[in-house]
Amino acid sequence: EVQLVQSGAEVKKPGESLRISCKGSGYSFTSYWISWVRQMPGKGLEWMGRIDPSDSYTNYSPSFQGHVTISADKSISTAYLQWSSLKASDTAMYYCASLREAALRVWGQGTLVTVSS
Amino acid sequence: QSALTQPASVSGSPGQSITISCTGTSSDVGGYNYVSWYQQHPGKAPKLMIYDVSNRPSGVSNRFSGSKSGNTASLTISGLQAEDEADYYCSSYTSSSTYWVFGGGTKLTVL
Repeated sequence: EVQLVQSGAEVKKPGESLRISCKGSGYSFTSYWISWVRQMPGKGLEWMGRIDPSDSYTNYSPSFQGHVTISADKSISTAYLQWSSLKASDTAMYYCASLREAALRVWGQGTLVTVSS
Repeated sequence: QSALTQPASVSGSPGQSITISCTGTSSDVGGYNYVSWYQQHPGKAPKLMIYDVSNRPSGVSNRFSGSKSGNTASLTISGLQAEDEADYYCSSYTSSSTYWVFGGGTKLTVL
């Protein structure tokens, strides 16, 4: 079974750094890109960016470029989303999803990030 | 403001059919057959329902269908069931620097 399993919920303070993860299983991790999607409380889905795990090539939405970093370690079938300095406005649910043939086919369960002083 | 425009809400009675629209531009919906639709129940991750405008992944009910005309894509759900009550999002590849865009989402209420 193709699965993406994300790391657990995080509670952080403004200014702190954070890295959340997304581990793929049941398929060749380097075969499909991984996308990250943000969902702020009570709001819709926002595409943040994607990475090709085979060579770590990335694309970012202009809305998120420079604010987050997407990376991957193909040796352990894991993609990452990280912040160097969190803001309260980063409070949201974050999903990873496999991008295959122009569709987000398999989704992780989501990681809730709460940023509060 | 989302790149793709969807109605905020639609409703229908069990057994009826409803259609959700998704309007973009020639740079996204109108320019490519890469429109997909996602269903999201409260507290759950989204689920792919339609890809490439009108294709259903394995396991998705044939009550769900998709189409496109010009810059507007549509999701139709026939024979509405209570379990269909959820939020629905359209999405498309875009030739802009954004690369991928979502609609603002539509809340479906089954009366």
